[in-house]
Amino acid sequence: DQQVKQNSPSLSVQEGRISILNCDYTNSMFDYFLWYKKYPAEGPTFLISISSIKDKNEDGRFTVFLNKSAKHLSLHIVPSQPGDSAVYFCAASADAGAQKLVFGQGTRLTINP
Amino acid sequence: SQTIHQWPATLVQPVGSPLSLECTVEGTSNPNLYWYRQAAGRGLQLLFYSIGIGQISSEVPQNLSASRPQDRQFILSSKKLLLSDSGFYLCAWSVQGAPVAFFGQGTRLTVV
Repeated sequence: DQQVKQNSPSLSVQEGRISILNCDYTNSMFDYFLWYKKYPAEGPTFLISISSIKDKNEDGRFTVFLNKSAKHLSLHIVPSQPGDSAVYFCAASADAGAQKLVFGQGTRLTINP
Repeated sequence: SQTIHQWPATLVQPVGSPLSLECTVEGTSNPNLYWYRQAAGRGLQLLFYSIGIGQISSEVPQNLSASRPQDRQFILSSKKLLLSDSGFYLCAWSVQGAPVAFFGQGTRLTVV
């Protein structure tokens, strides 16, 4: 049972344009959502997060949007840069202090010059 | 600052051999510790987590076990590896009560 889904295994975007990565979840108990970025042969690094009491959180070029009614979140990167090429995972937890994260399958983002 | 060390980076082991992966965290006390696995083409799956010394919770039935002999040390073990144990293993830590997990560099395990 995949509680967190990233339906696009890959995404290709031109440098300077906006990258939009999507994530859907099924568990209505999730109340905290995170995005991680992963380079090959490395561990994921935390990128940005959002609590369910918000619908938007912004940090520099990265913005996460949460639509609770649709159980959908998205990560916007603008402008996209070549260094953004990586695999992006969304993750969710059932309480803000949870010890466990449920991850999606990941989306490979490629930024083309 | 906090750092997490995980070793080895790569490992090739024959079927039926034992396994021991070690993870240590520096710069923090009483962290939550986790072992995740990423199988080929799949997301990260939580295998074990620990909220304190000797306290281990298993998320999925499997051929692996975990131990936490010290506050900042987390060990993943197997007595006899299976081919299906191949994957990318990641250790992570978080502050008690906080949801953000910080990951180690990972170990690529290939069972042959």
